[in-house]
Amino acid sequence: GDSVTQMEGPVTLSEEAFLTINCTYTATGYPSLFWYVQYPGEGLQLLLKATKADDKGSNKGFEATYRKETTSFHLEKGSVQVSDSAVYFCALSDDTWAGNTGKLIFGQGTTLQVKP
Amino acid sequence: DTAVSQTPKYLVTQMGNDKSIKCEQNLGHDTMYWYKQDSKKFLKIMFSYNNKELIINETVPNRFSPKSPDKAHLNLHINSLELGDSAVYFCASSQRQRETQYFGPGTRLLVL
Repeated sequence: GDSVTQMEGPVTLSEEAFLTINCTYTATGYPSLFWYVQYPGEGLQLLLKATKADDKGSNKGFEATYRKETTSFHLEKGSVQVSDSAVYFCALSDDTWAGNTGKLIFGQGTTLQVKP
Repeated sequence: DTAVSQTPKYLVTQMGNDKSIKCEQNLGHDTMYWYKQDSKKFLKIMFSYNNKELIINETVPNRFSPKSPDKAHLNLHINSLELGDSAVYFCASSQRQRETQYFGPGTRLLVL
C-alpha cells in the first residue's frame, strides 16, 4: 500500500541554519503531497503542498519540490528561526483512482529544534 | 473565528467508561475526518464522512462509532475505553474529498 517515510528526528539546528527534512513516498498512482506542521500543544497546519510532478510548494520561506523520479518531497528552508521549532509531517493523498477517498497517509513526523 | 473546533480539549477517564468527542467546522466543507495520533506522534486515519455518509472506516474496533448529524458536525463515541485508546484525536475537514484538509486543535484522551 501507499506509504511515506521521513528522516528520523530530532533535528537540532542553530538559528539561521539551513534546513532539510527528507521525505520519500511509495504510491501506486499519482498522489498529491503535503507538508503539515504541528506546534507544541496544537493541531496540524498545512504548510505547503504540490499536486503533480515538478510542482514546487512554498510558504513562509519553506519549499518542497515534487520529484517523481526519486519519489521524494524534501522540505527546505534557507534560514530557520526559533519559532520554526515544531514537528513536521510529510503526507500524501492518492487521488488517482476514481474510488479514492482522499485520506491522508502520514510519515512518522520529524521534530525540529532551533536554538538561539 | 475557529474553523475546526473540538470539545473537549482534554479528557481523562477510567477504563471501561464510554465517552464522546465532538467536532464542528464552520468552513462549509462537505467532508470530515477523524485521525488518531499515538504517543510516538504517528497519525492514522480512522473515519471519514462525506455529506453525512460514511466513506472511510479503517479497521477501527467497533467500540468506536462516528456520528454525523449534519455536514458541519462529526462526533466520535467510544465505548468501553481501554488503556490503548489513550491518544490525541484530531478532527479535520475539506471542501470535498481529495482536497486540502484543515485540522482541529485535537482532543487529548487519557485512559487510566
